This record gives sequence, structure tokens and C-alpha cells, in this order.
Amino acid sequence: NAGVTQTPKFRILKIGQSMTLQCTQDMNHNYMYWYRQDPGMGLKLIYYSVGAGITDKGEVPNGYNVSRSTTEDFPLRLELAAPSQTSVYFCASRDTGPGGYTFGSGTRLTVV
Amino acid sequence: AQTVTQSQPEMSVQEAETVTLSCTYDTSESNYYLFWYKQPPSRQMILVIRQEAYKQQNATENRFSVNFQKAAKSFSLKISDSQLGDTAMYFCAFMKQGGSEKLVFGKGTKLTVNP
Repeated sequence: NAGVTQTPKFRILKIGQSMTLQCTQDMNHNYMYWYRQDPGMGLKLIYYSVGAGITDKGEVPNGYNVSRSTTEDFPLRLELAAPSQTSVYFCASRDTGPGGYTFGSGTRLTVV
Repeated sequence: AQTVTQSQPEMSVQEAETVTLSCTYDTSESNYYLFWYKQPPSRQMILVIRQEAYKQQNATENRFSVNFQKAAKSFSLKISDSQLGDTAMYFCAFMKQGGSEKLVFGKGTKLTVNP
């Protein structure tokens, strides 16, 4: 049981480049989330999905896009990378009920 | 909108002693959950303990326990018999029950356990 798998673990982008952060879960969870964590700060929600084909914006969605074509996958797309997007990105999933989230191991992204 | 405040950016404790991390939150919701997550240097987010707001009894998980004061909107974490492996960032988080069930995080408290 792999849980939530994020790739890549590290990436350096140049300003203006684009990339996709991959996230896959094998727990058949309907809910999936993307958060970013800036130094000295808590996690802030970028986008979330309550099921395949359904996505919605979180607190800080500008500069990002998502899709949810299957229950398992929830990729995060960065278009025209900017230094302000330098951060650690976490994908998470959960089932309904009182349980907490299952987090991936994170992607450290640096935009130079 | 809900907010979560952790007023202690950093704390330290001696090994084997007890430490309490503070968390307050603001919400108009009646049904919600509260969580403490641990983030060690490995960066992994690890669930430490959770509390359902409708339960009056404070949650306990081995050396970790909470003091949940619903009226005061306070949710502190007590770590007993602190161990070196407890050194980490600790995040308090709020989740409204139902709907999208998004987690709202505090800024975290960096805990160092000294030998």
C-alpha cells in the first residue's frame, strides 16, 4: 500500500518554464488536495477535488491549474513559473469521516 | 473563514520532561475536527492526534494528549516524557465537518528536544 506518491521530490525551474507535479493515491479516496508550504509558514491550500471530474480553487490558486480525470491522479500544473512559486508542495488525500489526511512526501520546487 | 493561531514560534524542552504547545482557533461552525501534525526534518507530515468537536473527552495517543476547551476555542498539545525524536515542527489544524473538508493550518511551532 503506497499511500500518496508525489513526483518529483526536487526540481529547479527557470523563470517562465512550466511543469507538472504528479500525485497518485491508491486508497480510493475521493478527496484530494494540493498545499504549498513557504518557509516559516503553515500549509496553504492551492486546489482541491472532491471526486473525479470535480475541482475547485483554494486559498492561493493563482499561477496553477489542476485536473482530476481519475480517482487516483491529481496533477498540479505550473504555467510560467515565477520566483514566488518557490516552495514545498504537498499532495494529500482523505476519505470521508473523522480521519485525517494522508500526505505525500512533498516536492521542493525552486524557481530561479 | 476559519483561522488557526499558534502563538509560540519556537519551544525547547529537556529530554524526559513535559511540554505543552498552544493553539487557538476562530470559527462559527459547530461541527468540526481539530488535528495536530508533526513535521520532522524529513518533511513528512505525520498525524499526531485528532479531536472531534462533539466529544467532550480529550483525545490521548500514548505520550500525546490534548486539552480541548471548546468554549475558549483552545486546543493545546501536551507531550509527556519528551524524546529526541519528538524534535519537529508541529502544526495545529482545523477542519469543518462536511463539504470539501479542507484543512486550515496554523503557522507551526518548532519544538527542539535537548539531551
